[in-house]
Amino acid sequence: EVQLVESGGGLVQPGGSLRLSCAASGFTFSSYAMSWVRQAPGKGLEWVSAISGSGGSTYYADSVKGRFTISRDNSKNTLYLQMNSLRAEDTAVYYCAMGTDHAGYFDLWGRGTLVTVSS
Amino acid sequence: EIVLTQSPATLSLSPGERATLSCRASQSVSSYLAWYQQKPGQAPRLLIYDASNRATGIPARFSGSGSGTDFTLTISSLEPEDFAVYYCQQRSNWPLLTFGQGTRLEIK
Repeated sequence: EVQLVESGGGLVQPGGSLRLSCAASGFTFSSYAMSWVRQAPGKGLEWVSAISGSGGSTYYADSVKGRFTISRDNSKNTLYLQMNSLRAEDTAVYYCAMGTDHAGYFDLWGRGTLVTVSS
Repeated sequence: EIVLTQSPATLSLSPGERATLSCRASQSVSSYLAWYQQKPGQAPRLLIYDASNRATGIPARFSGSGSGTDFTLTISSLEPEDFAVYYCQQRSNWPLLTFGQGTRLEIK
């Protein structure tokens, strides 16, 4: 079965760090670019970051640039998001997502993992 | 950054009625626009890509149109399961992507 499963969310204090993981299965992971998309409670969707299939190219939204780092381990079929200097406004459900047929559109999503930044 | 503005913010309709949702881009995105449906507690679901192509398994009552800066999602006859939040998303400058703020489709 083709699926994405996120983990690593939780409660963290402002200024703290957290690393999210997304385990992929059922497809050739290294062939696809991957993204993180977040959704603050009761709010809309925000694209956060993307990485090429090889991991050689990475991209970030301005809101997280310099604080978040996306990476992947193709030998483990896993995507990561290292989040540093966390702020209250980073509180959200974080989804990993990808386009299986059309790059740039997301037809496969995980269930999401909740990150709460609060003291 | 390309800004997507959706209207209306909330649309109140009854089952069987026709729904028309709009998405306007701050600059041309050609036909590189998608629509998603999201229900409470669920991840979004891709409905339409490249402005007018239905994704796999999406019912024919969903259709998309438009190009450049103005786009429309039409649901021809609302079913009870269609009441949800809908988002547009552009991939014109992939991988730098943006979403609209959403339209909530509620039962009247």
